[in-house]
Amino acid sequence: DTAVSQTPKYLVTQMGNDKSIKCEQNLGHDTMYWYKQDSKKFLKIMFSYNNKELIINETVPNRFSPKSPDKAHLNLHINSLELGDSAVYFCASSQVRGDEKLFFGSGTQLSVL
Amino acid sequence: RKEVEQDPGPFNVPEGATVAFNCTYSNSASQSFFWYRQDCRKEPKLLMSVYSSGNEDGRFTAQLNRASQYISLLIRDSKLSDSATYLCVVPRSGNTPLVFGKGTRLSVIA
Repeated sequence: DTAVSQTPKYLVTQMGNDKSIKCEQNLGHDTMYWYKQDSKKFLKIMFSYNNKELIINETVPNRFSPKSPDKAHLNLHINSLELGDSAVYFCASSQVRGDEKLFFGSGTQLSVL
Repeated sequence: RKEVEQDPGPFNVPEGATVAFNCTYSNSASQSFFWYRQDCRKEPKLLMSVYSSGNEDGRFTAQLNRASQYISLLIRDSKLSDSATYLCVVPRSGNTPLVFGKGTRLSVIA
């Protein structure tokens, strides 16, 4: 059983398109996150949700819109994709807000052409 | 000083060697620190937590020096399977998300 699963694993698309990445966790955790890892391998927080409520938005462009229908799901929708959006996007969860033990999904490699 | 700073490496060491990485941090109020491991094209996974002066788990030892604001990770008797990127992780403050360092790449060579 996969604890944090995200789909798709690979996403190749043209500039200007809109795409979504889905994430689900079956750990019963309260908090979920989206991280972005760029080509220099720098892992940076984008969003954090606690029990479906947005608690962190790290100055991410508003082309990125997270949605949490319930505490087990956190999806990421990206409008008008740009070349600079190419990166690996990791979903993660933790038992409670501020918990240091993060469980990551396997990542979605987004390539914008 | 950056929030979290690490030597990117790569550290290329032979099997059986002992290797140590350092990580400096800027938030003197941080109480807990973590090392995550990330294999190539995989997700990061928690390796060790450091809450006081240090922590030891088998071949791995993490130490904290609050006065100089750095933490270290020591790996003894390196195995080929230790080859990975090691990420130093520090909370900003309170319940804010973790800040990840850029990682130190280790290659253990036969």
